[in-house]
Order: sequence, then C-alpha cells, then structure tokens
Amino acid sequence: ETGVTQTPRHLVMGMTNKKSLKCEQHLGHNAMYWYKQSAKKPLELMFVYSLEERVENNSVPSRFSPECPNSSHLFLHLHTLQPEDSALYLCASSQEGRAWGRGTNEKLFFGSGTQLSVL
Amino acid sequence: KQEVTQIPAALSVPEGENLVLNCSFTDSAIYNLQWFRQDPGKGLTSLLLIQSSQREQTSGRLNASLDKSSGRSTLYIAASQPGDSATYLCAVTEEDFGNEKLTFGTGTRLTIIP
Repeated sequence: ETGVTQTPRHLVMGMTNKKSLKCEQHLGHNAMYWYKQSAKKPLELMFVYSLEERVENNSVPSRFSPECPNSSHLFLHLHTLQPEDSALYLCASSQEGRAWGRGTNEKLFFGSGTQLSVL
Repeated sequence: KQEVTQIPAALSVPEGENLVLNCSFTDSAIYNLQWFRQDPGKGLTSLLLIQSSQREQTSGRLNASLDKSSGRSTLYIAASQPGDSATYLCAVTEEDFGNEKLTFGTGTRLTIIP
C-alpha cells in the first residue's frame, strides 16, 4: 500500500453517463495529481492541485472536471466521454504545496488506478 | 519538447541473471530522474530518484545511474527474481514555465523466467 487509495478500481460507462473517480491520500501531502495512462503511450499529466488550488491544467477536454475539496481528497468528474478516453487513470500525491515549481526533487506516490472503459 | 525513450519495450531474462534497463532523454536540463515499477493494472511505485547533481542511487539489488550530459540513465538489477517481473518506467522532472513537469517514457516490460 502506498497510502493513496483510488475508487473504483474498474469502471465501465456509456458515452452519456456521468461518473466520478475518487482519490484519497493518507500521507499528509499537499499536492495531488491526475494522470492518464493509455496503452503504449507515456503517462500524461492531466491536473495538479497544490494546497487545494489547481496549478496545472494540461489542455484537458472539459468533459473531465477535477475537484479538490481538501488536501486529502481529489475527484475527477466524467461526463459525455468518448471511447478514446478509455484508459487507466492514476492519482498521485507528493509532499510539496506552494513550493510547486522549484525543483524540489520530490517523489510521487501513486494509487492503483481506475481502469476506465467507455462504450 | 522533452522526449523520454526506453528501449527495448520488452525484455525476458532467466532468473538469477543481472540485467540493465535503459532510458534516454533529449533535454538534459532536468531536476531529477526517477525509476518506477508498475505491476499489471496497478499504479506506479517509485524505486529510485536521482537528483541532477548525483551520478547514481542504490537500493538493495537495484542501482540507477545518471549521465545528464549524454541524456542517459540505466537501471541495473542484480540477481533477478521472478518477483521482479513488471513494467519499469523512467521519468524526468524539468521546469515548464515556472512549474515542474514530469515526462515519462513508455516503459520496458520485464519478464524473469523461473
């Protein structure tokens, strides 16, 4: 266990559904991340939250909507997804908060991911 | 734009052998390089982090080296075991307009044959 928990582990949804992915970290970290991992492609950073403020939105379509109510919880709300959005969605956390962007040489701690299939 | 390459995409070796995984990156202006392990359908576990000022890091049977000027890193695994079977990813951290950006390679899928 890495201290980062993601639910659900698997999700199948239709293109018209609305669903949410949940991430919770028990490490006392200040920064949380959403990554997308598609087959045979490098991990893609989607969003970064530092002390509950979004500091990075990596040109992600608006059908993905993140929410960070506190430093321990991160959500990814999904609506009207496309089949090409099928992927493993990984949540991660790291210690830094406002020092994001200063080359802090931090380690990332990842959850086990949510395997999403869009039909 | 930073590109991280890992070759080969897949590697199979008999149990007990020592092996080396390779990672190369195109822009040497990095803060650090990390090696991760990913088991099928699961998240990533950080194995080793090498800061840009360091040459290598060791953890147990794992040794990672960094040659920043040539844009290369290797992960050496000694006395391989079936439990080492996983996908190994490397990633570099660099500055991107005042933020940190982590760029991943596509990984090397390692299979240790009992």
